[in-house]
Amino acid sequence: DTAVSQTPKYLVTQMGNDKSIKCEQNLGHDTMYWYKQDSKKFLKIMFSYNNKELIINETVPNRFSPKSPDKAHLNLHINSLELGDSAVYFCASSQRGKTSLRNEQFFGPGTRLTVL
Amino acid sequence: AQKVTQAQTEISVVEKEDVTLDCVYETRDTTYYLFWYKQPPSGELVFLIRRNSFDEQNEISGRYSWNFQKSTSSFNFTITASQVVDSAVYFCALSEAYSGGGADGLTFGKGTHLIIQP
Repeated sequence: DTAVSQTPKYLVTQMGNDKSIKCEQNLGHDTMYWYKQDSKKFLKIMFSYNNKELIINETVPNRFSPKSPDKAHLNLHINSLELGDSAVYFCASSQRGKTSLRNEQFFGPGTRLTVL
Repeated sequence: AQKVTQAQTEISVVEKEDVTLDCVYETRDTTYYLFWYKQPPSGELVFLIRRNSFDEQNEISGRYSWNFQKSTSSFNFTITASQVVDSAVYFCALSEAYSGGGADGLTFGKGTHLIIQP
């Protein structure tokens, strides 16, 4: 049983296109995240989403927009794709609750995006 | 601002050797959480351990052990009797209890690529 799943696993597209990556978690967690891993394997937080509160890392271009239809899903939509968007995108989830407790995050398998 | 430094970019050892991966962190929070994740060649991120700032006890899990020292802001990871299957990139990460308005995700180090040769 997959805890955090992402689709697609691979995504190859042309510059300027719009694409979406889907993420679903079946762990009952209340917080979901998107991370970007670049070609040097550096992982950086893009967004966190908790109880309809979206927190955006200030360095993320506004071409990136997360959309959450419900607590179990946090999809990533990217407009006007650029070459520099090529990376592996990881979705993650954790249970935060009503405190500032930072539980471990469970990651999806990643989506490798290649922009040509 | 929070920061995690993994100074060792790559380590190569022969199987059965012990190896320690270093992690040094910076934070202004008094409450924070430290993590280690493993990323094998297949690419997924596997959670290994979480430690909060109030718990300085070292932990051992099989061949894995972790040494948390607040005095030196370090959270080092040791693999005893390494095996080829331990070959992976290992990430140390930090999360503050109060993110200061920013996304409360993990701040990762740049990772250490561990190569275990047979």
